[in-house]
Formats: sequence, structure tokens, C-alpha cells
Amino acid sequence: GAVVSQHPSWVICKSGTSVKIECRSLDFQATTMFWYRQFPKQSLMLMATSNEGSKATYEQGVEKDKFLINHASLTLSTLTVTSAHPEDSSFYICSASKTSGRSGELFFGEGSRLTVL
Amino acid sequence: GQSLEQPSEVTAVEGAIVQINCTYQTSGFYGLSWYQQHDGGAPTFLSYNALDGLEETGRFSSFLSRSDSYGYLLLQELQMKDSASYFCAVMEGGYQKVTFGTGTKLQVIP
Repeated sequence: GAVVSQHPSWVICKSGTSVKIECRSLDFQATTMFWYRQFPKQSLMLMATSNEGSKATYEQGVEKDKFLINHASLTLSTLTVTSAHPEDSSFYICSASKTSGRSGELFFGEGSRLTVL
Repeated sequence: GQSLEQPSEVTAVEGAIVQINCTYQTSGFYGLSWYQQHDGGAPTFLSYNALDGLEETGRFSSFLSRSDSYGYLLLQELQMKDSASYFCAVMEGGYQKVTFGTGTKLQVIP
């Protein structure tokens, strides 16, 4: 199977600071990556669809100026939470699809648990 | 908009069979996937249906009825390690958007 690596796994930051989360496809090229956030005991909520070389498509209600997404290469997408506040504390997880893989399969990173103090 | 509904919790006995249903409302439907997620972990892919019918992968099977906007995941010969959350996910427009259902927490008891 394909491997998607996400870093960092855990991050604690002070309110008002910015945090960058990286998502890498290690053994395949991903033209499209998805960013989700998940609160405890809840589903994965799609935040945005990241396309290599173009602007991300954000879901309704997601602030694009607060959650900056950059997909500069076919193997790397980044999510920057700007001016983080305690309500931004969540589990953020990225995923990517592999065009030559099984249909309908997304490969997920390990997730990044953000705690804003 | 999109919505995917699943039962919130299901309890079943080890060795039994359990079915987890998913009903969806969406535009541009392309296919329905199923994922398993253990607490604190990342989702892992189980099965996918683009056409009506049953897909079988070992102990797991998935069914889709596009006319009814309905699908289900069937888990056979339940094992304790199957205790996890299960999500259906709708794919729209190929890989343009993947939206997850509300999730079903399965508890397998001895």
C-alpha cells in the first residue's frame, strides 16, 4: 500500500501563534490531497481539497485565511493554522488518492493532534 | 448539500455477523467507500462500491444501491479486534471531494 506521512504528530502551542502541519506522500505522486479535522468521538469533517499547483477548494464555513493550505509539489501539502485559538484544538488529518491504486481508496496520514493553550 | 447517516453505535457478539447501514444525499455521486478507525488512529480503507451490488473482501463485504442512495458494510465472523468506528464515505466527481458519514462505533463483546 501507499504511505502518507504527516508531521508533527503532536503539537502544543500558545494562543495567537501559527502552526504548520505537513503531509507527504512518500512513494507516490498525489495531485489531490484532502484535509480533515476530527473532534473527539465525531466524524471526519472535510476542510478543504488541495490540488497541486492551484488554490485549495475550501468547504463552506472554513476560513481560508485562517487555515492556509499550500500544495506546492506532487508529494507535499501543508496546512497552516494561523493565529490559533483554543477552539482550534483538534485532530487534523490529511489524505491522498493514488491514481494507480484501488478505486475509492484514500491513504491517510497518521494525523496531527493540535492543542492550543 | 451532502449528508450521510449511519447508526451511532452497534454492539455484536464475537463470531456473529453485523451490518452497518449508510444512507446518503449528495450530488455528483461517484462511489461509496468504507473505512475503519481505531481510537487515536488514522482511518484505513476497507471496501468500495461504484456500481450496484455486493463487493466481498475477506470477512468484509459492502453493498450499494444507487437508486435507493443506500449502502451497507457487512462484517462476518466478528473478532474482538473489529471493535472500532466505521465510516462510510461518498466520493463525488472522481477524487474531487470525499465526504465522510457520521460514523458507527462497533463494540464486539465476548
